[in-house]
Amino acid sequence: KNQVEQSPQSLIILEGKNCTLQCNYTVSPFSNLRWYKQDTGRGPVSLTIMTFSENTKSNGRYTATLDADTKQSSLHITASQLSDSASYICVVSVPNAGNMLTFGGGTRLMVKP
Amino acid sequence: NAGVTQTPKFRILKIGQSMTLQCTQDMNHNYMYWYRQDPGMGLKLIYYSVGAGITDKGEVPNGYNVSRSTTEDFPLRLELAAPSQTSVYFCASSSGGNTEAFFGQGTRLTVV
Repeated sequence: KNQVEQSPQSLIILEGKNCTLQCNYTVSPFSNLRWYKQDTGRGPVSLTIMTFSENTKSNGRYTATLDADTKQSSLHITASQLSDSASYICVVSVPNAGNMLTFGGGTRLMVKP
Repeated sequence: NAGVTQTPKFRILKIGQSMTLQCTQDMNHNYMYWYRQDPGMGLKLIYYSVGAGITDKGEVPNGYNVSRSTTEDFPLRLELAAPSQTSVYFCASSSGGNTEAFFGQGTRLTVV
C-alpha cells in the first residue's frame, strides 16, 4: 500500500475557479510534507514545505494545510489559471535514509478556459 | 545558475546494453538522489548520497549502480538494460533537512 495517497487522481476545472487537492499519508515519523508542481515533461518544482508543527503555508495562489494528527494535507489553488494545468504531488520526507522523499501518485489538474 | 543538469534528455537502448545517466549540480548540495517515474505513478527512489564518497540504496536499486566521487556529480549506471527499466529518470539535490529539493529536467529512457 502506498504510504502517500492523493485524491482525486485527476480534476478538470474552469479558469478562475478554486480547487482543493487532498493528501493522506501513513509515513511516520516524518520531517516535513511538501507539495510539488510537475509540468508535463519537466521535473517537479517545489511549492511549499511544512514541518509537522506548521498548520498552513502559502505561496501566492497556493495554500497548503497540514493536520499531523489525522495525517492529512490539502493544497488549495485560488483563482486558477491555465498555467496551473499540471500534476500536483504530495511528498513526505522521512528523517532517516538521507531525508528520503516518499512521493504520492499525484493529482493531474487541467484548467480549461 | 544551472541548478541540476541531467544528460541525455532522451535515449533508446537495446536489451543488454549499458549506459550512464549523468547528473551534476552547481549548488554545493551534499544530498543527491536518483528517482524513476513510471507512467501515472509516483517517483521511486533508486539511490541516494549524503556526500562525496557515500552512497546508499533506495526503494528500487536493482539493476542500477551509482558513484559519488565529487560533490557536484552523481552518475547513474545501468549495466544490462531491461525493458522494465523503461522510465523517466530524475536526479535531485538538496541541502538536506527541511530545505527544498531541486530536480533536473529528467531523462526519458526506452529499452527495446
